[in-house]
Amino acid sequence: EDQVTQSPEALRLQEGESSSLNCSYTVSGLRGLFWYRQDPGKGPEFLFTLYSAGEEKEKERLKATLTKKESFLHITAPKPEDSATYLCAVLSSEGAGSYQLTFGKGTKLSVIP
Amino acid sequence: NAGVTQTPKFRVLKTGQSMTLLCAQDMNHEYMYWYRQDPGMGLRLIHYSVGEGTTAKGEVPDGYNVSRLKKQNFLLGLESAAPSQTSVYFCASSYSIREKNEQFFGPGTRLTVL
Repeated sequence: EDQVTQSPEALRLQEGESSSLNCSYTVSGLRGLFWYRQDPGKGPEFLFTLYSAGEEKEKERLKATLTKKESFLHITAPKPEDSATYLCAVLSSEGAGSYQLTFGKGTKLSVIP
Repeated sequence: NAGVTQTPKFRVLKTGQSMTLLCAQDMNHEYMYWYRQDPGMGLRLIHYSVGEGTTAKGEVPDGYNVSRLKKQNFLLGLESAAPSQTSVYFCASSYSIREKNEQFFGPGTRLTVL
């Protein structure tokens, strides 16, 4: 069974204090790893897709990286507006056109001014 | 472009009542999905569709039915609501599953079943 685990569950940072969120996965046939941001009362907002180990993507203060077992979302000099829940999802396939997308439970990030 | 829209935003039902949630997308996506999100459980796939006229079961399909009569619309039905179906429901769509497969989500429907 595919598993996606995010850590920590919650993270409080001071404004400007850089840190990383982790998403570890156990899947067969990785076809993509996705990062989403979710604000309270809203739907998840797409951030990045990573397809292979060693790949990196950046957007403003966020940088996502991927290894064979985990992905990191690095947040550099965060601002209060970066406060949100960050979701990781893994797309896997065992062949024959069968795909499965598994979401982690998310990391709730709070950035304190 | 409105992206993915959901109707209604909130709903309260009594046990045994029925209702239909409507999802619409204007991105010409082939794939559409219905999820539920519960505290501590993460997002779980209820049903999905790989194109107009097709539907398939996801992880938690029991108690729900879906229809995709038009490419841009995906309906989720509850025939006899139960308190266990109290949740936030999200619709999503994607261009494909193999490439350009990022999913775009609607704003959600908060459903309470009494």
